[in-house]
Amino acid sequence: AQSVTQPDIHITVSEGASLELRCNYSYGATPYLFWYVQSPGQGLQLLLKYFSGDTLVQGIKGFEAEFKRSQSSFNLRKPSVHWSDAAEYFCGVGTGGFKTIFGAGTRLFVKA
Amino acid sequence: GAGVSQSPRYKVAKRGQDVALRCDPISGHVSLFWYQQALGQGPEFLTYFQNEAQLDKSGLPSDRFFAERPEGSVSTLKIQRTQQEDSAVYLCASSRGGQPETQYFGPGTRLLVL
Repeated sequence: AQSVTQPDIHITVSEGASLELRCNYSYGATPYLFWYVQSPGQGLQLLLKYFSGDTLVQGIKGFEAEFKRSQSSFNLRKPSVHWSDAAEYFCGVGTGGFKTIFGAGTRLFVKA
Repeated sequence: GAGVSQSPRYKVAKRGQDVALRCDPISGHVSLFWYQQALGQGPEFLTYFQNEAQLDKSGLPSDRFFAERPEGSVSTLKIQRTQQEDSAVYLCASSRGGQPETQYFGPGTRLLVL
């Protein structure tokens, strides 16, 4: 069955430091991959997506992610975190039907 | 409208009551999705519409849950005889057409069943 694992429930980084959020998926075919961000009381906002082509994708707010088929991973990165990046981040896999399966999320805390 | 809107934003229900949650998708969006997000969890798929047709309802947790989109725009998620385990945030999303497509999410309805 398809699944998404975000191993880190929460991560704390200092403002200005680099960030990497991990995402591993289980899916038999080439997946469609997404990263969304959710601020408190808000819906999900798309950061970036991978459908095909270049495995390094750029998104909004300075985020990027790399699809590694051999590792079944789609980790999210940002070179320098801002305090406004504090939020919950969800990795999602589109399964070829119409569903998106989401991980449990990683909550990012940013310290000054 | 500019984005997906949902109403009410908050709903408190007594156990056993029926509730109806509304979603207004982005104008012209063909696809509409409902998700349930329990506290501390990621969204879980409930159901999917393409225009007025409900193509997938495999995620609906019980026959107490019912969704409709009669005119292919606004959708309503109805929960009958609410139970405490139904307490969650219910998210609606819409997209332009078939997959793969970016889904645009509404702010959600937070349902608390007492």
